[in-house]
Amino acid sequence: AQKVTQAQTEISVVEKEDVTLDCVYETRDTTYYLFWYKQPPSGELVFLIRRNSFDEQNEISGRYSWNFQKSTSSFNFTITASQVVDSAVYFCALSGVPYSSASKIIFGSGTRLSIRP
Amino acid sequence: NAGVTQTPKFRILKIGQSMTLQCAQDMNHNYMYWYRQDPGMGLKLIYYSVGAGITDKGEVPNGYNVSRSTTEDFPLRLELAAPSQTSVYFCASSQPGSGPNSPLHFGNGTRLTVT
Repeated sequence: AQKVTQAQTEISVVEKEDVTLDCVYETRDTTYYLFWYKQPPSGELVFLIRRNSFDEQNEISGRYSWNFQKSTSSFNFTITASQVVDSAVYFCALSGVPYSSASKIIFGSGTRLSIRP
Repeated sequence: NAGVTQTPKFRILKIGQSMTLQCAQDMNHNYMYWYRQDPGMGLKLIYYSVGAGITDKGEVPNGYNVSRSTTEDFPLRLELAAPSQTSVYFCASSQPGSGPNSPLHFGNGTRLTVT
């Protein structure tokens, strides 16, 4: 069975601090995909990144970076020099191989991030 | 290019009533999904479809039905509304294999209240 755990329910930091959001996943598939989505206060869901299980390279996009470690089944998300506009709920998600019975995408419960000015 | 369109945006139902939440996408995506998001919670998968004529249950399918007669449309049916179905419903679509970053495209959600 697939499972995504985001143990941090809420995080609050002061602007310009770095913050890491944790994501731990469980799957029996050897091929799978991991995602991060952002849900700002306006409610829409915004795609941030997708990684497949064969690519363990860390990725950096501006102030955002992702650390994928298969050995610990983790896909953590770090925001450097946080800004008030980063305040949102962040979801980690997992899917299996496309066009297979494992192709459904399962989300974690989310981490609410508040950045204080 | 509208993306994923959900209707209605808001709806109030009485217990026992039925309704259909509409979802349409114009991106020719094979995959479509229905999620519900309860207040302060994550997204739970209700049903999904990997193509026209093919649907499968997600994590929380009880009380819902779906159909996928065309690639574009994926309606979600509530037959006997219950207060436990009060939630925000999101429809999404994707096209796996369309590139290294083939994300879920979400609709703007339908806020449903059952009283």
